[in-house]
Amino acid sequence: GQNIDQPTEMTATEGAIVQINCTYQTSGFNGLFWYQQHAGEAPTFLSYNVLDGLEEKGRFSSFLSRSKGYSYLLLKELQMKDSASYLCAVRDSNYQLIWGAGTKLIIKP
Amino acid sequence: IAGITQAPTSQILAAGRRMTLRCTQDMRHNAMYWYRQDLGLGLRLIHYSNTAGTTGKGEVPDGYSVSRANTDDFPLTLASAVPSQTSVYFCASGAVSGANVLTFGAGSRLTVL
Repeated sequence: GQNIDQPTEMTATEGAIVQINCTYQTSGFNGLFWYQQHAGEAPTFLSYNVLDGLEEKGRFSSFLSRSKGYSYLLLKELQMKDSASYLCAVRDSNYQLIWGAGTKLIIKP
Repeated sequence: IAGITQAPTSQILAAGRRMTLRCTQDMRHNAMYWYRQDLGLGLRLIHYSNTAGTTGKGEVPDGYSVSRANTDDFPLTLASAVPSQTSVYFCASGAVSGANVLTFGAGSRLTVL
């Protein structure tokens, strides 16, 4: 079966760095996405990786290793507004998105 | 309209009633999707449409139907609601080509009693 694993919850301190991991087992691979979802709101797109390596976008970076079925989202200089759930999703060989359950990130002052 | 509009925002429904959730986008995206989101589970695809006039079944299609008469609208119908359909429903759209980044509507919270 297809599976996306990510931690259920993480806690970090304002101003610090946090890494949210995502491992996947899917039938084929056509890209990995990270979305941010604030409580009670819609998911919004953060990053897309299709090749191995690091993609940097401001305070957020996303890494992919296709051979290991592994990705992480790195958030630097954490702000209180970064408190949200972070969703990892993989597009499989049928071009359908398989979603992880999300990681709830709690930022403490 | 900017992006995707869903209606209603929230609804309480008696079991056995028929309900249609509306979704309209103004981005001219070819592909549209309906997901449900339940606590502790990832987004689960109910139905999708890659272009106007075509629809397909997702991971959890039973009890739901969709239509795609034009590019902009993609309504989701529950023919006879059951309590297990209590959930938050998100409509999304994407361009299909390239990365196909999805844009989501604000969601419709449905409670079936």
